[in-house]
Amino acid sequence: GDSVTQTEGLVTLTKGLPVMLNCTYQTTYSPFLFWYVQHLNEAPKLLLKSSTDNKRTEHQGFYATLHKSSSSFHLQKSSVQLSDSALYFCAPNSAGNKLTFGIGTRVLVRP
Amino acid sequence: EAAVTQSPRNKVTVTGGNVTLSCRQTNSHNYMYWYRQDTGHGLRLIHYSYGAGNLQIGDVPDGYKATRTTQEDFFLLLELASPSQTSLYFCASSVRGDTEVFFGKGTRLTVV
Repeated sequence: GDSVTQTEGLVTLTKGLPVMLNCTYQTTYSPFLFWYVQHLNEAPKLLLKSSTDNKRTEHQGFYATLHKSSSSFHLQKSSVQLSDSALYFCAPNSAGNKLTFGIGTRVLVRP
Repeated sequence: EAAVTQSPRNKVTVTGGNVTLSCRQTNSHNYMYWYRQDTGHGLRLIHYSYGAGNLQIGDVPDGYKATRTTQEDFFLLLELASPSQTSLYFCASSVRGDTEVFFGKGTRLTVV
């Protein structure tokens, strides 16, 4: 089955600084990769997704590039805002039937 | 925006009790899912379904049953609730397994 590793449990940083959240995965087949974001007391929602190797995908200032050679899909943003404080989940899907979520990375942005 | 409605939103039950969590989606989605969310474990898939009458076992199915009665309705059953099942439960739906998943607002279950 699919598996995913998110190495940072908590990332704390100051507003305006860049952030990168790591995501590596193992899948049986060529995967779709997703990033979901969950704000406090809300449901998770899709942030961005990709299935194309070496192509940058962007949404709401966040971007990620799927690298199949290294099985990675790291999430980045150039300048974080206070509203970016949330829980971020990486999730691969290779068999086309279900998503496997990582344990998540909590981002805390301070003024 | 896709709509997934869960009920109840909060539930307290006693150890050994029966609990049914309900989920309805009005998106005409084929796939529906039940996840539980716990600190340090992320979102873990309990059961999912491809369509009415279909049921697939997820990654943490022990202690849970599920039933998909219609395209719209997916139920999660805890027949002998235990404190370890205290959690935040999310229902979700999608067109296919590799498309965007839309989540409900969650049900917070406490087993005392």
